[in-house]
Amino acid sequence: DGGITQSPKYLFRKEGQNVTLSCEQNLNHDAMYWYRQDPGQGLRLIYYSQIVNDFQKGDIAEGYSVSREKKESFPLTVTSAQKNPTAFYLCASTQVGTDNEQFFGPGTRLTVL
Amino acid sequence: AQSVTQLGSHVSVSEGALVLLRCNYSSSVPPYLFWYVQYPNQGLQLLLKYTSAATLVKGINGFEAEFKKSETSFHLTKPSAHMSDAAEYFCAVKHRGGGNKLTFGTGTQLKVEL
Repeated sequence: DGGITQSPKYLFRKEGQNVTLSCEQNLNHDAMYWYRQDPGQGLRLIYYSQIVNDFQKGDIAEGYSVSREKKESFPLTVTSAQKNPTAFYLCASTQVGTDNEQFFGPGTRLTVL
Repeated sequence: AQSVTQLGSHVSVSEGALVLLRCNYSSSVPPYLFWYVQYPNQGLQLLLKYTSAATLVKGINGFEAEFKKSETSFHLTKPSAHMSDAAEYFCAVKHRGGGNKLTFGTGTQLKVEL
């Protein structure tokens, strides 16, 4: 089955540590996205990539980094510079086109202890 | 800039009653609009989308939405609520510029009571 996988589902980290969230898709989509979800705030865009080896900052990129070395993979690193990293993180992908929807992974819940 | 507003962060209905979730958009050009549903601790699933082909859009699970340009609205409805409809619902607008980005509303939590 085609889809998006995110791992791990739950992640705990200590303050001051960097942590990397995995996102893989086998839908052959060109574009991939990372969102952060907090209660009552909807989804906010962190980074996105429309093509391999290229990515752009979203609305809340500070304290995060990404890479896009392969079409199917778009890992997100939450760095120690992110002041409030505890949140639910969602990865999405889409085929570039005017009316195509984004498909979402199951999410990773990150808790900073 | 394009944006969406969802009125009512929490909506409660009785099982079998009409579901109405409100979404208003702001866009300088005809938008592409989407409704997604999210169950606890899961990703988002597409319910339906408006792409200008028809103003009344039918989606999965008996949901539909009507695009009203004069009211800049795209409200989500279902004639008869089921317990399994309890979830959070997000309206989103697609940017017509670069990136194929979506801007989401803040979500509406739907509660269905017996």
